Amino acid sequence: KAGVTQTPRYLIKTRGQQVTLSCSPISGHRSVSWYQQTPGQGLQFLFEYFSETQRNKGNFPGRFSGRQFSNSRSEMNVSTLELGDSALYLCASKFFGVGTDTQYFGPGTRLTVL
Amino acid sequence: EDQVTQSPEALRLQEGESSSLNCSYTVSGLRGLFWYRQDPGKGPEFLFTLYSAGEEKEKERLKATLTKKESFLHITAPKPEDSATYLCAVLGGSQGNLIFGKGTKLSVKP
Repeated sequence: KAGVTQTPRYLIKTRGQQVTLSCSPISGHRSVSWYQQTPGQGLQFLFEYFSETQRNKGNFPGRFSGRQFSNSRSEMNVSTLELGDSALYLCASKFFGVGTDTQYFGPGTRLTVL
Repeated sequence: EDQVTQSPEALRLQEGESSSLNCSYTVSGLRGLFWYRQDPGKGPEFLFTLYSAGEEKEKERLKATLTKKESFLHITAPKPEDSATYLCAVLGGSQGNLIFGKGTKLSVKP
């Protein structure tokens, strides 16, 4: 079974630009979560989507947004990029149901903001 | 405030030298505790899920245990390929999302 895939793997942008990251979950998984990982803050939760609806949101500014499509694929958008947005962005998927709380992570997208 | 604390931050072991990593948590309504392994530049790789105090899970040289306030990841006779950052996360709390610790960076020297 194929794992979680994320594209692109690496991205370089300049301040003020916007960026869109993509995530394809494991087949059959309908919940997708996004995380930001930095050396100082570690892994921080951004948001979770299930059935095209945002179920939960972390403490990030409104510049960070996301969506999920009917095939469970998800995109994350960051507008007006800041230097501090440089990070590894991770997507995780899980099968939504009782006793199925384990999330499986993709390889991440490394975003560098210059 | 919901919180996950891992210790030590870094651990250097000789090959074959067994040790334990600690993950302590304060979270209301724990729904599960998770251990992941992360290699540099890669996404976290799932290791274990623990749901209730007293539960134990094993995989090769790794064994995870859970109490009401903390979890331990025991590494028996580690090998250099066990070198990685080990992350602990809990599910629960007021928001119901995964809360991660900062991780323990393990180095195993031959």
